[in-house]
Amino acid sequence: DGGITQSPKYLFRKEGQNVTLSCEQNLNHDAMYWYRQDPGQGLRLIYYSQIVNDFQKGDIAEGYSVSREKKESFPLTVTSAQKNPTAFYLCASSPLFSGANVLTFGAGSRLTVL
Amino acid sequence: AQTVTQSQPEMSVQEAETVTLSCTYDTSENNYYLFWYKQPPSRQMILVIRQEAYKQQNATENRFSVNFQKAAKSFSLKISDSQLGDTAMYFCAFHSPGSGNTPLVFGKGTRLSVIA
Repeated sequence: DGGITQSPKYLFRKEGQNVTLSCEQNLNHDAMYWYRQDPGQGLRLIYYSQIVNDFQKGDIAEGYSVSREKKESFPLTVTSAQKNPTAFYLCASSPLFSGANVLTFGAGSRLTVL
Repeated sequence: AQTVTQSQPEMSVQEAETVTLSCTYDTSENNYYLFWYKQPPSRQMILVIRQEAYKQQNATENRFSVNFQKAAKSFSLKISDSQLGDTAMYFCAFHSPGSGNTPLVFGKGTRLSVIA
């Protein structure tokens, strides 16, 4: 079945460590996105990519980095520069010229900084 | 920049009753799409319903329907015959294709509890 796979589902990190969250899709979607979800804050956009080897910052990109070397993959690195990284992270994808831009989401990754 | 506002952080409804969740948005665009997404306790985001701004008719999906008031920039979600499985966070979202395939903008969500 087509879909988006995020891993790991739960991740614990010590302060000062970088960590990478994986996002893989087999939907043949061109665009991929990373959102951060905090209680009472809704979904806030971190980064997005519409084509391989290109990506754009979202509203809260500071302390994060991404790469898009393959169409299927859009990993997110949470760096030690991110001051409050504990959150739920959602990856999504969509066809590029779908008009309605309907997003398909992964199941999410919960990051906890100890 | 577009903004989406959900003014009800939490709501509750009795099973089998009807509930309406509110959403307002701000945009200068004329062509856009609006969405309601559901996030149950599993945290998997699911598309509930979508509305195209150029369509006058309100979208309907089974027990879910919207009241789209373009002039008022309002996009409420009505859930009829509420079921326990409707318990979830509900997010309203906005997208305008006119400015490139820019990402959806989400509201902060409404937590809905369906009570038996």
